[in-house]
Amino acid sequence: DIQMTQSPSSLSASVGDRVTITCQASQDISNYLNWYQQKPGKAPKLLIYDASNLETGVPSRFSGSGSGTDFTFTISSLQPEDIATYYCQQYDNLLSFGPGTKVDIK
Amino acid sequence: QVQLVQSGAEVKKPGASVKVSCKASGYTFTGYYMHWVRQAPGQGLEWMGWINPNSGGTNYAQKFQGRVTMTRDTSISTAYMELSRLRSDDTAVYYCARDRGGGSCYSWGQGTLVTVSS
Repeated sequence: DIQMTQSPSSLSASVGDRVTITCQASQDISNYLNWYQQKPGKAPKLLIYDASNLETGVPSRFSGSGSGTDFTFTISSLQPEDIATYYCQQYDNLLSFGPGTKVDIK
Repeated sequence: QVQLVQSGAEVKKPGASVKVSCKASGYTFTGYYMHWVRQAPGQGLEWMGWINPNSGGTNYAQKFQGRVTMTRDTSISTAYMELSRLRSDDTAVYYCARDRGGGSCYSWGQGTLVTVSS
C-alpha cells in the first residue's frame, strides 16, 4: 500500500497570505496525485488533478506542483471562503488519501 | 450535470450488514468507475474501493476485503455498497464518488451516515 503524509496537520493564516501544504508519498507515484477541499458538513471537492491541473471552475489562486514522492499545494492569497480541510490523494496504486490539513483564518 | 443521490441514514447493530445506494444521473452511468469513500466522525477520508459499472468488476482496499461488496444495476443507473459484520468503528459517513477518468473522485454524493450501535 502507498502511504500518504501531509504537513502541517493544521495552520492558521491571515486573509491574503500565501498558504502552502506539502504531501509526501511512500513511493514514487509520478504525477498521479489529486487535491481536494472539504468544508465542514460537506462532501469533498476535487480542486487539482494530475498534480498540477486545475479543475474547471476552481479559482486560479489554487495551484499544485510536484512529481515522484513530493508534492505541494498552494493558495496564493487566502480568502475567507477557503477555510476547509485539504486532502491529497494518490492513484498510482489503487487510491489512498493523506490525513488532511485543516486551514483556518488567524 | 452530474448528480449522485445516496440513500438515507441507517442505524445498525454490531454484526449486521448495511447496503447503501447511489443513484447517478446526468451522464452515461457505464462510462465511469464509481468509488466508495468513508469518513468517520472527525476523521479523514478513507477509500474503500471502486466498481466498474460497465463490467461489474471491482477492486477493494485490502482493509475491507471480505466484508465489502460493491454492485450495480445498470437499468436504474445505481451503484451499491454493502458492508457486513459491522462494528462500532464502522460508524461513518459513506460517500459514492464518480471517477473523473483516471483515479480522481470528480463528483460526490451527499453522503450517507451509518451509525453502528447496540
